[in-house]
Amino acid sequence: GQNIDQPTEMTATEGAIVQINCTYQTSGFNGLFWYQQHAGEAPTFLSYNVLDGLEEKGRFSSFLSRSKGYSYLLLKELQMKDSASYLCAVLGLGGFKTIFGAGTRLFVKA
Amino acid sequence: DGGITQSPKYLFRKEGQNVTLSCEQNLNHDAMYWYRQDPGQGLRLIYYSQIVNDFQKGDIAEGYSVSREKKESFPLTVTSAQKNPTAFYLCASSIGPLHRGSYEQYFGPGTRLTVT
Repeated sequence: GQNIDQPTEMTATEGAIVQINCTYQTSGFNGLFWYQQHAGEAPTFLSYNVLDGLEEKGRFSSFLSRSKGYSYLLLKELQMKDSASYLCAVLGLGGFKTIFGAGTRLFVKA
Repeated sequence: DGGITQSPKYLFRKEGQNVTLSCEQNLNHDAMYWYRQDPGQGLRLIYYSQIVNDFQKGDIAEGYSVSREKKESFPLTVTSAQKNPTAFYLCASSIGPLHRGSYEQYFGPGTRLTVT
């Protein structure tokens, strides 16, 4: 079967650092996406990891371990506008089908 | 300005009626996708199209139909056979897997369909 797990909700304080974990079991793997989705809006692309390791992009970093089926999204210097859902998604072999996790709702409080 | 447009943003229909959701992109992307999102759930793939005049069923295609007669357009019809059609529908496009490394999907603003 195919399964992507991530926590349902997280709460963090403005200015802090938060790590959102994602574990996956899929029949094929091409790479792993992280998307941000504000309520009622479309998802927007944050990162795409193919190789193991950490990729940093401004305040956001994404980590992948293919052998462990594990990824995390690290958000630094949290801002109120970072309150959103964060979707972990796996791109299957062939590069067409993407399987999405249910998303983690992040609440940033003052 | 390149992007994906979906219309309308909100749509209301009576049970038993077919309804077509539009999706247009001017990004010159080969691949297009339709997803459905229900509260508290991830995006589920309904249909996808790799190139014009070709499309494939996703994980939850029953009760839906699509066409891809033009590269820019990928309309989705929600038929009366779909048992629970009320949901948020998202259209997306990507350059296509033939373009190595360009797998990012760009999403439209979505259509919220309510069927009563």
